[in-house]
Amino acid sequence: DGGITQSPKYLFRKEGQNVTLSCEQNLNHDAMYWYRQDPGQGLRLIYYSQIVNDFQKGDIAEGYSVSREKKESFPLTVTSAQKNPTAFYLCASAAGGPGNEQFFGPGTRLTVL
Amino acid sequence: AQKVTQAQTEISVVEKEDVTLDCVYETRDTTYYLFWYKQPPSRELVFLIRRNSFDEQNEISGRYSWNFQKSTSSFNFTITASQVVDSAVYFCALSRRNQGGKLIFGQGTELSVKP
Repeated sequence: DGGITQSPKYLFRKEGQNVTLSCEQNLNHDAMYWYRQDPGQGLRLIYYSQIVNDFQKGDIAEGYSVSREKKESFPLTVTSAQKNPTAFYLCASAAGGPGNEQFFGPGTRLTVL
Repeated sequence: AQKVTQAQTEISVVEKEDVTLDCVYETRDTTYYLFWYKQPPSRELVFLIRRNSFDEQNEISGRYSWNFQKSTSSFNFTITASQVVDSAVYFCALSRRNQGGKLIFGQGTELSVKP
């Protein structure tokens, strides 16, 4: 069954702690993306990667970091520098090339206590 | 600047009514791509359709249809004979060529279909 998995589904973090969200895909897609969704808003791009060992900042990269050591994995770390990390985080992947649709994972709800 | 506007924040209809969700986009590119996604209560985004800027043909898929008009920079989505299962948040999005496939999303329209 091809798809994108994100874990955990719910995550709680104390202020000042770093936390890593997992994203794995078995669709053999080259490109992967992280978006953040806040209530009543659209999705905003945090980071994206078009190929292994390479990634670029999106519109709201401050306070986040990523790695892309394997094609199928694109973990996102929310650092203590992120001022307002409570949000819903969505990971997506797409085949390489312009205009291809992105396929999304089920998301992780992060709450800072 | 690239931008997607979904002016309708919430729409409420009664089952079997037709409903149109509006999407207006801004871009100076000649090559671009437009998308619609559905986010049901589970919150997992579901891809519905993609259109490239050179294909203005309208598309129909079952009860869903899309009207792409470059002259008005709009890509509207109509659901015919709505059903309760259509209740969701719908997002329109834009991507540009040579931008790594990044999607620029509108703020979404929450559709509520009541029985």
